[in-house]
Amino acid sequence: DGGITQSPKYLFRKEGQNVTLSCEQNLNHDAMYWYRQDPGQGLRLIYYSQIVNDFQKGDIAEGYSVSREKKESFPLTVTSAQKNPTAFYLCASSIFSAIDLQGDYGYTFGSGTRLTVV
Amino acid sequence: KQEVTQIPAALSVPEGENLVLNCSFTDSAIYNLQWFRQDPGKGLTSLLLIQSSQREQTSGRLNASLDKSSGRSTLYIAASQPGDSATYLCAVVSFGNEKLTFGTGTRLTIIP
Repeated sequence: DGGITQSPKYLFRKEGQNVTLSCEQNLNHDAMYWYRQDPGQGLRLIYYSQIVNDFQKGDIAEGYSVSREKKESFPLTVTSAQKNPTAFYLCASSIFSAIDLQGDYGYTFGSGTRLTVV
Repeated sequence: KQEVTQIPAALSVPEGENLVLNCSFTDSAIYNLQWFRQDPGKGLTSLLLIQSSQREQTSGRLNASLDKSSGRSTLYIAASQPGDSATYLCAVVSFGNEKLTFGTGTRLTIIP
């Protein structure tokens, strides 16, 4: 079955440590996204990528980094510069930029990674 | 800047009732609007996607409508069941900002 796989499901980070969240998709989607979800604040965009080897900052990119070396993979690194990393992280993908296809296609989300600072 | 609002933040209804969830957005220049469901601690499941040229979409007991000119969408759930209990999120993709902008969701509880 096609879909998005996020791992691990739960992740614990010590102060000053970098951690990497995995996101893999087998939907042959071009665009991939990382969102952060906090209680009462909805989902906020961290980074997105529309093609391999290119990515753009979202609304809350500070303290995060990404790479897009393969179409299927879009890992997110939470660096020690992110002062409040405890949150639920969601990865998503879509076929193309909405502009190309006049909004015909929607987004597919993974099951999320819950990151906790210990 | 596009802003998406969902009211109420929480809703409880008895099983079997029909119900409507509301979503409003400030900028009518959108490509599409998507409704999602999220169970506690889980990812998002797409329910319905309405393109900007469409007025409504239906899937089973769910019907979503879109009125771009007024900046509103509704999600109608018929004959509610306890399994419908979840948080429902709407999101839009806007011209000039081709990423999803989310509302904060409505937490729905169906009382058996």
